Order: sequence, then structure tokens, then C-alpha cells
Amino acid sequence: DAGITQSPRYKITETGRQVTLMCHQTWSHSYMFWYRQDLGHGLRLIYYSAAADITDKGEVPDGYVVSRSKTENFPLTLESATRSQTSVYFCASRSPGGRFVYGYTFGSGTRLTVV
Amino acid sequence: AQSVTQLDSHVSVSEGTPVLLRCNYSSSYSPSLFWYVQHPNKGLQLLLKYTSAATLVKGINGFEAEFKKSETSFHLTKPSAHMSDAAEYFCVVSVESGGSNYKLTFGKGTLLTVNP
Repeated sequence: DAGITQSPRYKITETGRQVTLMCHQTWSHSYMFWYRQDLGHGLRLIYYSAAADITDKGEVPDGYVVSRSKTENFPLTLESATRSQTSVYFCASRSPGGRFVYGYTFGSGTRLTVV
Repeated sequence: AQSVTQLDSHVSVSEGTPVLLRCNYSSSYSPSLFWYVQHPNKGLQLLLKYTSAATLVKGINGFEAEFKKSETSFHLTKPSAHMSDAAEYFCVVSVESGGSNYKLTFGKGTLLTVNP
């Protein structure tokens, strides 16, 4: 099926552990994004990528690492998880095209709990 | 820099009555504006998008929004609320200056409750 797939859907991890959230898209869109959603904050951008091997920080990048060796995959790694990183994480991609054509598609989210 | 302010964190309406969710934005450039809806424990679904083609934008499920540049507003409306409209709604701005800034900035969300 075409779209964005995030895995896992739910994850519980311990403080200090490394955890990787996966994001896979089937369209080969150039731009991909990672957001976190917290009560009272809406969605905040963690990292984004303009193409394979090109990534840049968003609003809240501290404690996270991304990579993009292939266009279709954009994993997000928490190097040493903290309780403050308990959140719902959404991956998104942007379809190509000009102002009247483009759109964003979001994955179903990963609910991460750090205990 | 761009920003979005959703003026109400919670709106409660009765089924069959009009819905108004308010959004103001700030942007140095001509923005694209979106409304997304999120049902409980679900992902984000696009309701509608403004890209300067027309100031009144019609979306899915009977929702529409009007872009008012003079008021820097993009309020979401629906003539008659349905129980299935109960969800959280996000106003989002994107400014693509120079063709390289494709980041979305989200408002903090408005929770819509629909009472029977």
C-alpha cells in the first residue's frame, strides 16, 4: 500500500536506552519530517530532510539523531532516552510540486513512553 | 519567522449548531495555510488548504475557511456540527520563501466537543 508507515506503533523503553523509530514512505518524496506531539504544544518539528544525506534541525532537536541513507527511509534515534521524550512522534513527507499542488502526508504516529 | 495562534483551546457546541474555530497567523511572506483534524488516537487528516487561489476554501466534511489578510486570520467554520466532528483541530502555516523552506508550523490545537 502506498503511504507512510511508522514502526513501532507503541514503544516503552527505559531511561538511558537507545531507541530508534522507523519511518518509510513509498513515493520517493524528497522532503521528510519528524514531529513530536505533546499536550498543550501541538506538533513541533524535530528534524527534517530535503533529500538523501541532507538533514537539518528543527525546533526541538536536542537528544535526537536522524539519518537518511535512502530516500524512502528516515529513522529517528533517541541516543539516551529521557522521560521528557515521552511523546507521540509523527513522520511526514511532502509531495513535489508548486504552491497549488503540493501536500503533506503524515504517518499514524508512534507513541513512545520512557520509564 | 512564522507563527500560528489558535485562540481557543477548547470549543463546545451542540449537535446541529454552527462551529467556529479561530486561527491567527504571523508570517513575513505570503503563507500557505492548512487545517488538520486529529481524531482520538489517530493520525492527522487534512481538512483544507489555502494557497492564494481563492480566499474562501472549501474542505472535506462540510468545513470551510476564509483567509483574511487584513486580519491575518484563517478561521474554520461548519454550518452544522455532527457528533463525528468531535476531535482536535490544528491550524498550520507554511512559508516557502525561496522554494527551500518547507517546514510546517502548528498551532497548539483546539479540542472540539459536540454535545448531543
